[in-house]
Amino acid sequence: AQKITQTQPGMFVQEKEAVTLDCTYDTSDQSYGLFWYKQPSSGEMIFLIYQGSYDEQNATEGRYSLNFQKARKSANLVISASQLGDSAMYFCAMRETGFQKLVFGTGTRLLVSP
Amino acid sequence: DTGVSQDPRHKITKRGQNVTFRCDPISEHNRLYWYRQTLGQGPEFLTYFQNEAQLEKSRLLSDRFSAERPKGSFSTLEIQRTEQGDSAMYLCASSTTGQSSYEQYFGPGTRLTVT
Repeated sequence: AQKITQTQPGMFVQEKEAVTLDCTYDTSDQSYGLFWYKQPSSGEMIFLIYQGSYDEQNATEGRYSLNFQKARKSANLVISASQLGDSAMYFCAMRETGFQKLVFGTGTRLLVSP
Repeated sequence: DTGVSQDPRHKITKRGQNVTFRCDPISEHNRLYWYRQTLGQGPEFLTYFQNEAQLEKSRLLSDRFSAERPKGSFSTLEIQRTEQGDSAMYLCASSTTGQSSYEQYFGPGTRLTVT
């Protein structure tokens, strides 16, 4: 069964610093996708970045990059140059090929201070 | 592109009452999903439509829950005989079957409080 584990309930970072949010996953499938979503206090889930299991290079989207280590089954999100607007909940999620549902972790609350 | 919209944004109801939520996906998206999110948890999958066909249902979707997408456009999620445990945020998402089909776009959610 698919499972996502986010072990950091909360993280604190100062503005302009980089931060890594941890995510490990469990699946017996060889083909799957990994996602990170941001959820501000308004409640809407905002897609940040995607990594396919067969992608050889780590995904990057602007200030976001995904540190994908397949053998360790980890997919950590790295946010460079944190901004105050990055304060939010961050969720890691996975989808196995052939299924449409996303399986989410419990999230990490990031607080960026001035 | 107006994004995924959900109505209402907030609903307070008494235990035992029926409630219905509406989701309007992004217009060209043929896939639509419902998730439920309780406090301190990530969203949990409830059900998924491709066009008007309901193709996947979670066991979380008890007999009191029913979802429809009659014309392959908007969808409704009905909860009958609400219970306090149904209090949660109900999120709708949509996606395409095209090249970027992996990304699900979420709406703002409907927060349900059962008193």
